Amino acid sequence: DAGVTQSPTHLIKTRGQQVTLRCSPKSGHDTVSWYQQALGQGPQFIFQYYEEEERQRGNFPDRFSGHQFPNYSSELNVNALLLGDSALYLCASSLGSGPGQPQHFGDGTRLSIL
Amino acid sequence: AQSVTQLGSHVSVSEGALVLLRCNYSSSVPPYLFWYVQYPNQGLQLLLKYTTGATLVKGINGFEAEFKKSETSFHLTKPSAHMSDAAEYFCAVSEGNNNDMRFGAGTRLTVKP
Repeated sequence: DAGVTQSPTHLIKTRGQQVTLRCSPKSGHDTVSWYQQALGQGPQFIFQYYEEEERQRGNFPDRFSGHQFPNYSSELNVNALLLGDSALYLCASSLGSGPGQPQHFGDGTRLSIL
Repeated sequence: AQSVTQLGSHVSVSEGALVLLRCNYSSSVPPYLFWYVQYPNQGLQLLLKYTTGATLVKGINGFEAEFKKSETSFHLTKPSAHMSDAAEYFCAVSEGNNNDMRFGAGTRLTVKP
């Protein structure tokens, strides 16, 4: 039973560039959420996708955008990268977008901005 | 809006000692509460969750947590620490019709031999 997979595992970019991170949910899951985890902090909710639509969004600027495909996989795009975007980006999947559904996390993509 | 406070960014215990990691939450409606563990260079693994019903929740690896509404707390315990328990622990809350989780800042658990 494949868990949540994310690619790439590490990425180095420079300020002003754009980046795309990818996520495949756990088998049987249809909802994908993205989180940003800065060093030494807890994950911060970016947004959630269900039925190919953004359903909820955290306090992140429009530079952060996403997409969900018909096979439930998802992408996170970040434009005009800033030094402060350096973080571990975690993807989590769940069955349905309803309350109380536990989310299963991937190992993340470590993004470093130079 | 919901929020979580984890008391103590670092906790150190001896192997075999009781583990107690504290979590207090703020929520305007009945919350859903979670504990996750994160090992170095890995994602988060669900330890246990509280949704409704029994307030004492048992999870994996011998951990359990008790939901206390009157104290707005959801502390994580384990009777006897193992070296393999050394990791970062996160408490999280979601509420209402939303499934976006709000995480605490985390508590790093160190287990001494």
